[in-house]
Amino acid sequence: LAKTTQPISMDSYEGQEVNITCSHNNIATNDYITWYQQFPSQGPRFIIQGYKTKVTNEVASLFIPADRKSSTLSLPRVSLSDTAVYYCLVGAGGSTLGRLYFGRGTQLTVWP
Amino acid sequence: DAGVIQSPRHEVTEMGQEVTLRCKPISGHDYLFWYRQTMMRGLELLIYFNNNVPIDDSGMPEDRFSAKMPNASFSTLKIQPSEPRDSAVYFCASSPPGSEEKLFFGSGTQLSVL
Repeated sequence: LAKTTQPISMDSYEGQEVNITCSHNNIATNDYITWYQQFPSQGPRFIIQGYKTKVTNEVASLFIPADRKSSTLSLPRVSLSDTAVYYCLVGAGGSTLGRLYFGRGTQLTVWP
Repeated sequence: DAGVIQSPRHEVTEMGQEVTLRCKPISGHDYLFWYRQTMMRGLELLIYFNNNVPIDDSGMPEDRFSAKMPNASFSTLKIQPSEPRDSAVYFCASSPPGSEEKLFFGSGTQLSVL
């Protein structure tokens, strides 16, 4: 099972950059790294996905080192509305989708 | 698109009763997932389907749980008989061909078994 390790919680203030690191030492060659965000009383929402190096979209950036054993989700200039649980998953498609493991994620709390 | 639609939004039942949760995936998506979320165990995958066929049901807790997908636009998760420890939020998600890891979740069903 491609489990991941993330901090249980993080705190930040509005306007700061937040970096959440995820460890995935047993990542397989075909695995992608995917991050989700979950607000209370809602289902998780896809944020970003990458395979190696750096990926950026309108919401976040994802940094993946060459060995791919970890990844860092970067949220620029967070606001109160970024308070949520963030999940890091590793896995490939097809029959290996059962290996996708959400776990407990990282509770990010943004303070005014 | 309306997104993944789940019903009911809340379900309160008594121990021993049958519970049926329903899900309508996003049109065109060929993967469908059922997850369960609790404070103790986080978000757990119960079962997933590809093109209406169950691929992996190893996460289904026991024989009291069953899931079906009779067509591409409908799936059910049934618990019979229900027990208090089944109380949780149950999420359905779907994903499109070529981007199977990009799951789109419904709003979930909050199940309380008394």
